[in-house]
Amino acid sequence: KQEVTQIPAALSVPEGENLVLNCSFTDSAIYNLQWFRQDPGKGLTSLLLIQSSQREQTSGRLNASLDKSSGRSTLYIAASQPGDSATYLCAVKKETSGSRLTFGEGTQLTVNP
Amino acid sequence: EPEVTQTPSHQVTQMGQEVILRCVPISNHLYFYWYRQILGQKVEFLVSFYNNEISEKSEIFDDQFSVERPDGSNFTLKIRSTKLEDSAMYFCASSEATLMTNTGELFFGEGSRLTVL
Repeated sequence: KQEVTQIPAALSVPEGENLVLNCSFTDSAIYNLQWFRQDPGKGLTSLLLIQSSQREQTSGRLNASLDKSSGRSTLYIAASQPGDSATYLCAVKKETSGSRLTFGEGTQLTVNP
Repeated sequence: EPEVTQTPSHQVTQMGQEVILRCVPISNHLYFYWYRQILGQKVEFLVSFYNNEISEKSEIFDDQFSVERPDGSNFTLKIRSTKLEDSAMYFCASSEATLMTNTGELFFGEGSRLTVL
């Protein structure tokens, strides 16, 4: 059974700092990995999708990497801003495109002005 | 930009009542999903739906739950005889799956908050 773990559970940083969020998963037979942002009481916004054959994806100040063999992914946020404050969720999809996502518990990020 | 829409945004019901949560997935998407998130806990998979039938379901998705695609646009989750522990945020999601595009990326709605009293 796939287990997804995110470290740290919470992170508080001053504005402008670069930061790394970590995600690990137990079963490396994945189809893809997706990073989401969740604001309090809101839905999940897709940030980055990495296919199992890819090593990294970038979108603006965000960069996600994937090391499938070691079961790890990182989300790098450059020059953090107060508007980045949210919970960041990592989720992995099993071996086919239609199968379920398994989520981690998330990292709650606070960026202080 | 196309998005997944869900109604209602919040529903309060009495224990034992039936609830129907509605979703309109993105129009050219072929896979539909329901997930739930109990307050303070992980997002959990409930069920996936493809080609007018359930393709996968979790152990949470027991006989109390059912899904339906009553027409070409709506996707519903029915919870029969609600229990206190069904209180959660329910998320609908859809993903594209065609011969040309099959990234498996999921797009989520804003959720329906269900409160069972």
